[in-house]
Amino acid sequence: DAGVTQSPTHLIKTRGQHVTLRCSPISGHKSVSWYQQVLGQGPQFIFQYYEKEERGRGNFPDRFSARQFPNYSSELNVNALLLGDSALYLCASSLGGGGNSPLHFGNGTRLTVT
Amino acid sequence: QKEVEQNSGPLSVPEGAIASLNCTYSDRGSQSFFWYRQYSGKSPELIMSIYSNGDKEDGRFTAQLNKASQYVSLLIRDSQPSDSATYLCAVPPFGQNFVFGPGTRLSVLP
Repeated sequence: DAGVTQSPTHLIKTRGQHVTLRCSPISGHKSVSWYQQVLGQGPQFIFQYYEKEERGRGNFPDRFSARQFPNYSSELNVNALLLGDSALYLCASSLGGGGNSPLHFGNGTRLTVT
Repeated sequence: QKEVEQNSGPLSVPEGAIASLNCTYSDRGSQSFFWYRQYSGKSPELIMSIYSNGDKEDGRFTAQLNKASQYVSLLIRDSQPSDSATYLCAVPPFGQNFVFGPGTRLSVLP
C-alpha cells in the first residue's frame, strides 16, 4: 500500500509569494495533519482535518490555511511568505481524529523562502 | 501550554551498548505515547507506541511508561551505527493533537 504522499518535494519561493502544498493520505485514513519543522526542533502542529472538517489549529498566523477534500487529500496554503516560513512541511495521516491513532508522515516538502 | 521535554543531546554510545532516551510531559490526561525516529533530512518514522504503564518490547526497542511520574523512555539494545538519528517523543494531550518534543540526537560510534 502507498504511504502518505506529498508534493512538491522541494520548493523555492520569494518573500510575499503564495505557496500550495499537497498531501494524499494512506488509503483508509480519514485524518490529515500538517506540521512545520525547522532545523533542530521537533515538528510544530499547524492544522488537523478529520472527515473534511477542521479539528484543530496550532499557533500559526492567518496566512496559513488548509482544507481537506472529499477523497481525504489535503492542501496547505501559505500567503505572503516570510523568510521565517522556510522549513520542512510535514503531512501526516491517521485512522482516527483523536490522539490514540499514530501519525504516519509523508516525506515532506522542503520550502525555502528567499 | 502542553509541553514535551527531551534532552537534545547529542547522546553518544558505543556500538553494541544500550542507548537510553528520556522524555517528560506536562499533561496528566495524556493516554498515548509515541516514539519516532528521524534520520537527517528525512521525515519522522514511527517506531514505538505505548498506552499503559510498564514496558513494551519490540525487537531491540523497549518503551517504558510511568504515568505517575509523567515519564516515558526508549531503550535501544545492541545499538548499531544505523540507529544514529534524532528520536522524537510525541504525547497527544487527551483528545488533542500531537505535541512533539525537540528530539534527542543519538550517535552510535563504531
